[in-house]
Amino acid sequence: QLQLQESGPGLVKPSETLSLTCTVSGDSITSSTYYWVWIRQPPGKGLEWIGNVYYSGSSYYNPTLTSRVTISVDTSKNQFSLKMTSVTAADTAVYYCARPVISAWSYDYWGQGTLVTVSS
Amino acid sequence: EIVLTQSPGTLSLSPGERATLSCRTSQSVTSSYLAWYQQKPGQAPRLLIYGASSRAIGIPDRFSGSGSGTDFTLTISRLEPEDFAVYYCQLYGSSPLITFGQGTRLEIK
Repeated sequence: QLQLQESGPGLVKPSETLSLTCTVSGDSITSSTYYWVWIRQPPGKGLEWIGNVYYSGSSYYNPTLTSRVTISVDTSKNQFSLKMTSVTAADTAVYYCARPVISAWSYDYWGQGTLVTVSS
Repeated sequence: EIVLTQSPGTLSLSPGERATLSCRTSQSVTSSYLAWYQQKPGQAPRLLIYGASSRAIGIPDRFSGSGSGTDFTLTISRLEPEDFAVYYCQLYGSSPLITFGQGTRLEIK
């Protein structure tokens, strides 16, 4: 059974870098023909796509975040990671990693999400 | 940029009633790229419908999706108590690559 688990600090100071990891179990990160994704959700608000990454490292980012975001893959650890620089309070959100299975264009496997609060 | 507009913002219905949720796109889109999710408090979104009309694995047949072009609909034929949640449509597009609607809250009347 494919499972995804986000991990990382729950509290980040303004102007610092947010770093999260999504650990994949039940399948190899290289076996997917689809892109892995990071999505976030500010408290009480809707969903926002952050970016996609393929196991080869090929990636796409939300244009509103592209200058601050890097998504990478570590195939040896079966993980992919998110780094977001120069965070502000507006980056406070639950961060999800997810993966398509049935269709390349939608996401049927999600991590439970991890809340990251940006505060001094 | 393609914008997804969901309506209504909040829908108040009773168990057993039929729910009709709308997702309108600002440009005509390929139906294959339109999906619907359900989200309950404290949980990750759950894929309900992909390709505008195909049910995801394990989704009850009271959930159905339809539409094409710019107008898409999620219908719940007879509401069960566990169906009261927030629903999002999602599009795989050009730029940004993935866009979500703002959500429709389905609440118990």
